[in-house]
Amino acid sequence: QTVVTQEPSLTVSPGGTVTLTCASSTGAVTSGNYPNWFQQKPGLAPRALIYNTNNKHSWTPARFSGSLFGGKAALTLSGVQPEDEAEYYCLLYYGGARVFGGGTKLTVL
Amino acid sequence: QVQLVESGGGVVQPGRSLRLSCAASGFNFSIYGMHWVRQAPGKGLEWVAVISHAGNGIYYGDSVKGRFTISRDNSKSTLYLQMNSLTVEDTAVYYCAKKPPGTAAAGIDSWGQGTLVTVSS
Repeated sequence: QTVVTQEPSLTVSPGGTVTLTCASSTGAVTSGNYPNWFQQKPGLAPRALIYNTNNKHSWTPARFSGSLFGGKAALTLSGVQPEDEAEYYCLLYYGGARVFGGGTKLTVL
Repeated sequence: QVQLVESGGGVVQPGRSLRLSCAASGFNFSIYGMHWVRQAPGKGLEWVAVISHAGNGIYYGDSVKGRFTISRDNSKSTLYLQMNSLTVEDTAVYYCAKKPPGTAAAGIDSWGQGTLVTVSS
């Protein structure tokens, strides 16, 4: 059973930069896993942010960016805003099936 | 504007069945693949199943394989999830979600608001 691992929690100061990562139990995350990133705030449905590693949706703020780094998928927030406080999930593709990471709770403090 | 409206949730006893529906509007439903994703209370997202636009490509998550069936009716712009042999571990909000077009199609670009399924005796 494939497990996708994210940091359980991270804290960042307003205006700062933070990187969230997404690792796969099967080995290095590659572009072939088509990493997607989602933001979820309490009581709301998730919202898509990034697809295919580093592509933004039309509604994704410019301060969000995606990459591959050190065998993991990464989501970087630059110039963090208070409204970025949320849970963030990655989603990886495994030849048909998909698996979500456990989520990272981002606190802006 | 994409709209996805789930229905069919409720309270069901362990071992029983339930069918969820997702009514889609605001886009050409028949050319997009669709997902079901669930979230247990206070827990993270769990991918459940995906179906291709024509219904001939289907994959399931390990925890629901053999018990759940995803299907669609393109003439009604509706996605379904038939859930059998339900257990308390299936208690969750179930989201319907749309695949993006083209090369982004491995992921999800739009989500419904979810419907709550509670499995309890």
